[in-house]
Amino acid sequence: DQQVKQNSPSLSVQEGRISILNCDYTNSMFDYFLWYKKYPAEGPTFLISISSIKDKNEDGRFTVFLNKSAKHLSLHIVPSQPGDSAVYFCAAQYNNNDMRFGAGTRLTVKP
Amino acid sequence: KAGVTQTPRYLIKTRGQQVTLSCSPISGHRSVSWYQQTPGQGLQFLFEYFSETQRNKGNFPGRFSGRQFSNSRSEMNVSTLELGDSALYLCASSLAWDTEAFFGQGTRLTVV
Repeated sequence: DQQVKQNSPSLSVQEGRISILNCDYTNSMFDYFLWYKKYPAEGPTFLISISSIKDKNEDGRFTVFLNKSAKHLSLHIVPSQPGDSAVYFCAAQYNNNDMRFGAGTRLTVKP
Repeated sequence: KAGVTQTPRYLIKTRGQQVTLSCSPISGHRSVSWYQQTPGQGLQFLFEYFSETQRNKGNFPGRFSGRQFSNSRSEMNVSTLELGDSALYLCASSLAWDTEAFFGQGTRLTVV
């Protein structure tokens, strides 16, 4: 059962523009959401997270927005840089238990 | 299309024992990665296999090992279990090492 979905397998943006990666979830019990970034041949690295008590969290160029009523979160990268090109995973968990991951979205930032 | 299958789903072992976890990737996928997930630590990369070769390894002690078979199925072994090894172990498969990965449900290992 896919409780976390990333419906866009790939996204291509121009350097300097905004990248928006989307994620939907079905389990209303989830109370913590994370984004991971993965470069080829490397393990995924944690990027940013948000608790369900918030609707926005910023860290430099990265902002995560959470819309609980729509069960939707998004990651905004502004401005996008070529080094941001990677696969981005959305993840969700509750009660510090199992983390569920989306399939990932490949972001390509063109110079 | 069947997803990534991990067995068993739950496992309880005692300290000092060893354990083997199994992962069957999506048909046609040749890359299999293993991750450890613990509360507070998040997702930590263990190793990645492609066509039976270990391509990359995370920062884990030698007690953690793995292998991949010719049919792309993979196993992960942990020897001399410690209490701190209690975690959710996730497997992910992808067509190649640089394409989207699909995760299994995980194996919940509890060491007592």
